[in-house]
Amino acid sequence: AQSVSQHNHHVILSEAASLELGCNYSYGGTVNLFWYVQYPGQHLQLLLKYFSGDPLVKGIKGFEAEFIKSKFSFNLRKPSVQWSDTAEYFCAVKPGYSSASKIIFGSGTRLSIRP
Amino acid sequence: ETGVTQSPTHLIKTRGQQVTLRCSSQSGHNTVSWYQQALGQGPQFIFQYYREEENGRGNFPPRFSGLQFPNYSSELNVNALELDDSALYLCASSKQGSRFDSNQPQHFGDGTRLSIL
Repeated sequence: AQSVSQHNHHVILSEAASLELGCNYSYGGTVNLFWYVQYPGQHLQLLLKYFSGDPLVKGIKGFEAEFIKSKFSFNLRKPSVQWSDTAEYFCAVKPGYSSASKIIFGSGTRLSIRP
Repeated sequence: ETGVTQSPTHLIKTRGQQVTLRCSSQSGHNTVSWYQQALGQGPQFIFQYYREEENGRGNFPPRFSGLQFPNYSSELNVNALELDDSALYLCASSKQGSRFDSNQPQHFGDGTRLSIL
């Protein structure tokens, strides 16, 4: 069965530190890849997505992610985090065969930023 | 534009009961997907409705059922509730050009938190 693994359950950083959140998936075919963010008290929002083309994807708020097909990875990065980045981050995959929007989510990484 | 709204926000039920959760899709959207998010986990896909018909289903038993209405709002029904059904239930809507147009962005509601005693 397809699955998505997020390696870190909780990451704590100081402001201005660089961020990298890991995401690996288990599916050998074509995939669409997503990162969603959930700020405290808010609903899930799309941060960025990869469907095809340039494997380096830029999203909102200075985030980017790199799709490395050979490693089945889609890690999220930000060069300098801010306190307002405190949130839960979910990596998600949609297998290419699926006609429905059956998105498979990872278990999430909670990011805490120390001011 | 009005976003995705879900009701109720919280609900407490006992084992064996039945529950109905409701979702109003974002204006202009014709597709609704439902997810279950257990504590400490990511959302799990339950099923999707496109123009009032089911358009894909995850690994959930038949006691999880749904409906979509002509105005594209949707209901999630769960029968014979079990303790493990305690979770946050999320609804997401999108605007698809066809039942196969699955790459449209999904907009999530705030969810209904269901507690089973």
